[in-house]
This record gives sequence, structure tokens and C-alpha cells, in this order.
Amino acid sequence: SAVISQKPSRDICQRGTSLTIQCQVDSQVTMMFWYRQQPGQSLTLIATANQGSEATYESGFVIDKFPISRPNLTFSTLTVSNMSPEDSSIYLCSVAYRSGRSPGYGYTFGSGTRLTVV
Amino acid sequence: GQQVMQIPQYQHVQEGEDFTTYCNSSTTLSNIQWYKQRPGGHPVFLIQLVKSGEVKKQKRLTFQFGEAKKNSSLHITATQTTDVGTYFCAGKGGSTLGRLYFGRGTQLTVWP
Repeated sequence: SAVISQKPSRDICQRGTSLTIQCQVDSQVTMMFWYRQQPGQSLTLIATANQGSEATYESGFVIDKFPISRPNLTFSTLTVSNMSPEDSSIYLCSVAYRSGRSPGYGYTFGSGTRLTVV
Repeated sequence: GQQVMQIPQYQHVQEGEDFTTYCNSSTTLSNIQWYKQRPGGHPVFLIQLVKSGEVKKQKRLTFQFGEAKKNSSLHITATQTTDVGTYFCAGKGGSTLGRLYFGRGTQLTVWP
């Protein structure tokens, strides 16, 4: 499976500032996904990062607030812009990789970025 | 839009008891995946089910995919304290590389 290095692992930020989260994958992957997870809650997909084109955002998420870059097939960043306390959450990147054990693709996650906005 | 419902939200069992979590989709899935997230950790892929009626086992864990490919279950036999965590199902629609639709998860607590 693919191995993802995600950083920072945590940060405390002032409201109104921006934070950029990075994910580096040890192999080329077609699709990368960015999720948000509130404590004790499920994962909510923010957007799908496409290499060479604009990210595809889910309902409720916009590019101005969560700009995403995907310069190549191994790297992506998510920026949380103009932060407010409501943005406090865990942010995770995920990639699909071809699973050798069964047909189709498995998904692996980065270790997450725990963001607190004060 | 596509939704995946998962129950129960919480389950508390004594060590040695069995545990089951259920997922149900509003639409037919191409496959369903199960993940485990330990407290403070990130989701870890457990298994993927693709075929209608498929049953897979991993030691004490049994995964089932319904005949209609709309529901799935995870059953743990004789739970251990190491089973503690939140178990998520995630369904995928028709696209090979498409997004996953996560259930809300079942948080399992095991008392020694």
C-alpha cells in the first residue's frame, strides 16, 4: 500500500490566519482526497485533488476557503484560509492505491493534522 | 445523494462478548470497505468486499456484503480490549477510483 507523510501533525492558529497542510506519498497515485473529521464524528470529504486540474469540491466546501494544490502525482496541499474556531478539526488526506489482495482499490490515510483555532 | 447509514453509534461490551456493526446504503454499491480508527489515530483499511453475498474472515472478524450490494456487516467474535476503536464502513459507487461514502462509525468500548 501507499505510505503518506502528512504534516504538520498538529497546530494551534490564530483566527483570521491560514494554515497549509502537506501530504507526500511514496508512490504516484491518481487521486488524492482531503477529509475533515470533527472529534467523535465520521469523515467528511472536502475535495478530490486532481493532478493538473482544479480540485473537485463537495457541497459546502469552496475553493476560496480550502484552496488545494496538486502539482504532481505524489504531492498535494490543502490550505485552510481565514480560519475561525469552527475550522478546528482533524484534516486527513487519503489516496487510492491498487490493492494486490483483491480487485479494485484500497485507500490509505495520512496520520492527520489536528487543527485548533483560537 | 448517496448515503451510508451505520448502526449502532456506540457499543459497550464485556471482553469475550461478540460485537456487530451494520451498514446500509441508499443505493447499490460497487464495493464496501471497512476501516478501524483507534482513539487518537487515523482510519486504517481493514478489508474490501466486492462481490454480492461475499463473506470474508480475518481471525475473529467476519465481514459480509449483502446480496443486493446495499448492506454490509462486521462481526467480531469474543472481543478483546485490543478491539477498542471506531469502526467505519465506506461505500463506493460505480466509478473505479470514485469517492468513498463513510458511515458515521460505531465506537466500540470493551470492558476487561
